[in-house]
Amino acid sequence: DAGVIQSPRHEVTEMGQEVTLRCKPISGHNSLFWYRQTMMRGLELLIYFNNNVPIDDSGMPEDRFSAKMPNASFSTLKIQPSEPRDSAVYFCASSSNRAGELFFGEGSRLTVL
Amino acid sequence: GENVEQHPSTLSVQEGDSAVIKCTYSDSASNYFPWYKQELGKRPQLIIDIRSNVGEKKDQRIAVTLNKTAKHFSLHITETQPEDSAVYFCAGKSNYQLIWGAGTKLIIKP
Repeated sequence: DAGVIQSPRHEVTEMGQEVTLRCKPISGHNSLFWYRQTMMRGLELLIYFNNNVPIDDSGMPEDRFSAKMPNASFSTLKIQPSEPRDSAVYFCASSSNRAGELFFGEGSRLTVL
Repeated sequence: GENVEQHPSTLSVQEGDSAVIKCTYSDSASNYFPWYKQELGKRPQLIIDIRSNVGEKKDQRIAVTLNKTAKHFSLHITETQPEDSAVYFCAGKSNYQLIWGAGTKLIIKP
């Protein structure tokens, strides 16, 4: 398996633009997590899906953020409109319910100018 | 809910010496405690984990100890090498979610 695959790896956009980050979890994993990492706030859980259903979205900062998981092999995190304070590395991670290990993608580095 | 505190925030050790990073947790129901290593510009990756029915686990130069009574667990790295330089995160699992420590930046001095 190629691991968790995220795209794009880097995104530079202007304030107000829509940003869509994509994630393909490891095949067979039924838990998917979106994290945001910044120097100031560390690793923050944004949303957790189990079997494609959002279980906990309490970490989503505000209505500008939305996430979907239309099937077991694909998830998106959308920011609309984007703001400079959204600049961060966004990680997608997946795990099997039975095992505890979380497998991270390589991350999407977002810069909002 | 669970709260995980990690110390120190930065640790500088001489190459070849040992490094110890400590974490405490608040939820006595937590039963899984992983340690992740994140090299600069890379993703966090699991290096070792321990479950609550075990007191210690070792994997070559890395070991983790767990004290359930005191609700703390520690990462021990012996014979440190330059490639050990990274940020290390501890976590505790409460229900489905990993609660993360703030991270320790480990610097290995040549």
